[in-house]
Amino acid sequence: DQQVKQNSPSLSVQEGRISILNCDYTNSMFDYFLWYKKYPAEGPTFLISISSIKDKNEDGRFTVFLNKSAKHLSLHIVPSQPGDSAVYFCAASATDDKIIFGKGTRLHILP
Amino acid sequence: EAQVTQNPRYLITVTGKKLTVTCSQNMNHEYMSWYRQDPGLGLRQIYYSMNVEVTDKGDVPEGYKVSRKEKRNFPLILESPSPNQTSLYFCASSPMTGLVADEQFFGPGTRLTVL
Repeated sequence: DQQVKQNSPSLSVQEGRISILNCDYTNSMFDYFLWYKKYPAEGPTFLISISSIKDKNEDGRFTVFLNKSAKHLSLHIVPSQPGDSAVYFCAASATDDKIIFGKGTRLHILP
Repeated sequence: EAQVTQNPRYLITVTGKKLTVTCSQNMNHEYMSWYRQDPGLGLRQIYYSMNVEVTDKGDVPEGYKVSRKEKRNFPLILESPSPNQTSLYFCASSPMTGLVADEQFFGPGTRLTVL
């Protein structure tokens, strides 16, 4: 049973426009959510996180929104840049500190 | 430079031949973890450790062992590797913020092939 779902395997967005990556989860015990970015042949790098007590967290061009009632979070990138082309992973953890990742969404930024 | 290192980066081995992948971090992080990445399956947690001598199973622990004798090192041991353990492995470390593992710093990955 997949507890963290990223239903879009890939997404293409025009440079300069907004990229929206979505993530759904099933476990209501998750209380901390993170987004990671991964380039080929490299380890994932942390982007942004959000605690379950918040519904929004912003860091520069990146904003994460959390809708606890819908068990849904999204990552917004504005404006999208060519260097944003990568695979994005959503991750969630509960107090047992086991961390569950989604399968990832490959983002293509088009010129 | 703050980093997580893994060795080896690439390994081809045969079924049943015990191997160890080392992981070391120089950031004094309490939390360390191992993941495997497979096509279409994303990153799956194998084992994690919240501190020295404390290890717990992740989602896919079968066929793997770990140890945490020192804070900086977290080796992954495959006692009897099988072809289904062919994968890309990542080690990660994280400071603990209260009760929660914070952002993780990942190593560069180890590509393992078991023939």
